[in-house]
Amino acid sequence: GESVGLHLPTLSVQEGDNSIINCAYSNSASDYFIWYKQESGKGPQFIIDIRSNMDKRQGQRVTVLLNKTVKHLSLQIAATQPGDSAVYFCADYPNAGGTSYGKLTFGQGTILTVHP
Amino acid sequence: DTAVSQTPKYLVTQMGNDKSIKCEQNLGHDTMYWYKQDSKKFLKIMFSYNNKELIINETVPNRFSPKSPDKAHLNLHINSLELGDSAVYFCASSHSGQPQHFGDGTRLSIL
Repeated sequence: GESVGLHLPTLSVQEGDNSIINCAYSNSASDYFIWYKQESGKGPQFIIDIRSNMDKRQGQRVTVLLNKTVKHLSLQIAATQPGDSAVYFCADYPNAGGTSYGKLTFGQGTILTVHP
Repeated sequence: DTAVSQTPKYLVTQMGNDKSIKCEQNLGHDTMYWYKQDSKKFLKIMFSYNNKELIINETVPNRFSPKSPDKAHLNLHINSLELGDSAVYFCASSHSGQPQHFGDGTRLSIL
């Protein structure tokens, strides 16, 4: 079946380092990708998204890279802070401009721990 | 002024009982969702309603019945609760094809 998955289930970094979280997807019809952050006891929170006609998108301290050739997505967090500690999910929307009606497929999740 | 709010936040009940979880969004979105997150943090969609109409119904036991009285509300009723229903249930909303906004979850524990 189609799936969106993550290479590394856990990532530990020091405060101030840059973090990279990876995600592989298998659905060739995927055309819209979203990164979510989930803190303990909270719901997933939107971080950044990217459409398949782009290969890079930047936000505040975050950058998402999309490599459609190898079906790979990454989230880069610059100058990681303790407040960035959370579980990070990539999610995939197939045919987002069509009739998928928001059927997001979530990846496994990566636990990011930032040490002061 | 919480965007997506769910009640209750915690729900502890016995096997065989019937319970409901309520969800409301004040974002003006036309689509609402229910997700289940298991103990390994895996998130899976259960249902989706667009303008009060059911559009996604994943392989979910028919003991689960969503109800959308209006575009801003999507409730989830669960009959004959089983041990395997223990999980965190998230409500979300969005405009079609846009990022979904999630509530903070309802932690359901079955004794």
